[in-house]
Amino acid sequence: AQKITQTQPGMFVQEKEAVTLDCTYDTSDPSYGLFWYKQPSSGEMIFLIYQGSYDQQNATEGRYSLNFQKARKSANLVISASQLGDSAMYFCAMREPRTYKYIFGTGTRLKVLA
Amino acid sequence: EAQVTQNPRYLITVTGKKLTVTCSQNMNHEYMSWYRQDPGLGLRQIYYSMNVEVTDKGDVPEGYKVSRKEKRNFPLILESPSPNQTSLYFCASSDDRGGTGELFFGEGSRLTVL
Repeated sequence: AQKITQTQPGMFVQEKEAVTLDCTYDTSDPSYGLFWYKQPSSGEMIFLIYQGSYDQQNATEGRYSLNFQKARKSANLVISASQLGDSAMYFCAMREPRTYKYIFGTGTRLKVLA
Repeated sequence: EAQVTQNPRYLITVTGKKLTVTCSQNMNHEYMSWYRQDPGLGLRQIYYSMNVEVTDKGDVPEGYKVSRKEKRNFPLILESPSPNQTSLYFCASSDDRGGTGELFFGEGSRLTVL
């Protein structure tokens, strides 16, 4: 069965340092999309970054990059130069093109320390 | 402004009293879906719709109904709410005609069933 696993319920990082949020996935479908979303304390869901299963290069969006290791089925989010505003819940998600189902992980709560 | 609008944002109801959470998007997206968010469980997909009159079950459809009579609207219906449906609900849409297919989320609807 398709599954997303986020093993870090909570993490701390010092302001201006980099942090890696872990995400592993499981699917038998060769074609899929991987996403990261941010949920600040205000509650809205914000799209951060996308990686397609056939993409050769790791996705990057500003301070966000996705460390995609297909053989290990991992899609870790790297946030460089952390800011206080990065304190939030982060969700990893997978979409299967064949079924159009979205599966989310349980989330990692990141706290950036001043 | 491109957006997904959910109503109501907050609702307290009693067991068995039918309720509908409306969802509307103005981006002409074909794909729409509903999720519930519970502590420690992340987001779980309830139902999704690829297009008008096409709906499919997600991972937790029990106790919910949906309809897609118009492209822009995708209401979530709780025919006989129970306390275990107390949750934060999100509606989302995406454009699957190209691009990444990231989800655009509504602001969420917090439902309490007494």
